[in-house]
Amino acid sequence: ETGVTQSPTHLIKTRGQQVTLRCSSQSGHNTVSWYQQALGQGPQFIFQYYREEENGRGNFPPRFSGLQFPNYSSELNVNALELDDSALYLCASSRGGTGNYGYTFGSGTRLTVV
Amino acid sequence: LAKTTQPISMDSYEGQEVNITCSHNNIATNDYITWYQQFPSQGPRFIIQGYKTKVTNEVASLFIPADRKSSTLSLPRVSLSDTAVYYCLVGLRGGSQGNLIFGKGTKLSVKP
Repeated sequence: ETGVTQSPTHLIKTRGQQVTLRCSSQSGHNTVSWYQQALGQGPQFIFQYYREEENGRGNFPPRFSGLQFPNYSSELNVNALELDDSALYLCASSRGGTGNYGYTFGSGTRLTVV
Repeated sequence: LAKTTQPISMDSYEGQEVNITCSHNNIATNDYITWYQQFPSQGPRFIIQGYKTKVTNEVASLFIPADRKSSTLSLPRVSLSDTAVYYCLVGLRGGSQGNLIFGKGTKLSVKP
């Protein structure tokens, strides 16, 4: 079975720009979560999508938004980029909406905002 | 949500057993204890999960005392490739709507 794939792997954007990150969930998984990981910190939960609906959100402003598609792939959109948005963005997928069957993480997208 | 405390870093040598202890004094009745491993520039990888007593798999063992206020991840005979950050998480088995709460983790350095 294929794991979680994220694209692009690296990205450089200018402050104020918008960015879209993409995630393909593991085969058989219908739930996708997104995390932000700053250097030297643990991952911080952004939001989760289950069956194309957001069903959980962390402490992130509305300029962080997402989508989940019928094939369960997902996008993370960030508007009005700030320097502090520079981080590794991780996508995780699971079966069911609760994650009780375990989460599989992708390798992430390294976003640098200059 | 239960907060966890674990050492910032640990050093070990190849072939040794490594024990990383995590404190979670306000763990709730329904909470599970889960450990993840993360290599640089990769996503976290599930290692082991338990509720009480002892759990063992092909990678590690997890020891949980009766009061469940702490837990210990045991890695037998570590190798250089076990150098990574290890996170202890406490919460509902699958997180609350995907919300896995990660702390700063323990950076394990294995030396030859």
